[in-house]
Amino acid sequence: GENVEQHPSTLSVQEGDSAVIKCTYSDSASNYFPWYKQELGKRPQLIIDIRSNVGEKKDQRIAVTLNKTAKHFSLHITETQPEDSAVYFCAAKIWGSQGNLIFGKGTKLSVKP
Amino acid sequence: SAVISQKPSRDICQRGTSLTIQCQVDSQVTMMFWYRQQPGQSLTLIATANQGSEATYESGFVIDKFPISRPNLTFSTLTVSNMSPEDSSIYLCSAGSGNTIYFGEGSWLTVV
Repeated sequence: GENVEQHPSTLSVQEGDSAVIKCTYSDSASNYFPWYKQELGKRPQLIIDIRSNVGEKKDQRIAVTLNKTAKHFSLHITETQPEDSAVYFCAAKIWGSQGNLIFGKGTKLSVKP
Repeated sequence: SAVISQKPSRDICQRGTSLTIQCQVDSQVTMMFWYRQQPGQSLTLIATANQGSEATYESGFVIDKFPISRPNLTFSTLTVSNMSPEDSSIYLCSAGSGNTIYFGEGSWLTVV
């Protein structure tokens, strides 16, 4: 089955700097990769996703890149702000299937003012 | 997007008792799942709730311990049976149609 590895487990950056979180997946059939942000005590919220027919997707200060050949994808946050502090989870599944998401172990991002 | 409501949001339970968590979605969805999340940890899938049939459980989770119902396309329940302190966790309902999966607010259970 699918296995998703996520690095780093913790990341501390200065406000205004960029943050990058990386994930690798094992199942070449996976072709849908969402990212969730979970603030303390709250539900995971979808912030961006990408399908394997594109290599990059942007939404304001966040972007996701995908290297299908290497089976890895990354979340990039630019101009970080304290409110970006949260745990970020990457996930993978097969687009269009009824299957569940396979999650990485999460990255705790701390943005210091 | 789907709005998912869970209740209870939080409860303190006695060892040996059972508690049922309810999950209500504001629209019909094809997929519903139940996850467990220990504080500070990732999300572990318990089972897929199948409408009109028995849930599909992941390795390490069994129906006797975590019975699940899904009578229709908008509602599901998860029961945590014969609870022990090891069951103290956040239980999350998730749902979606197609590919986008949304989460409920979670139910934080503490077993004493």
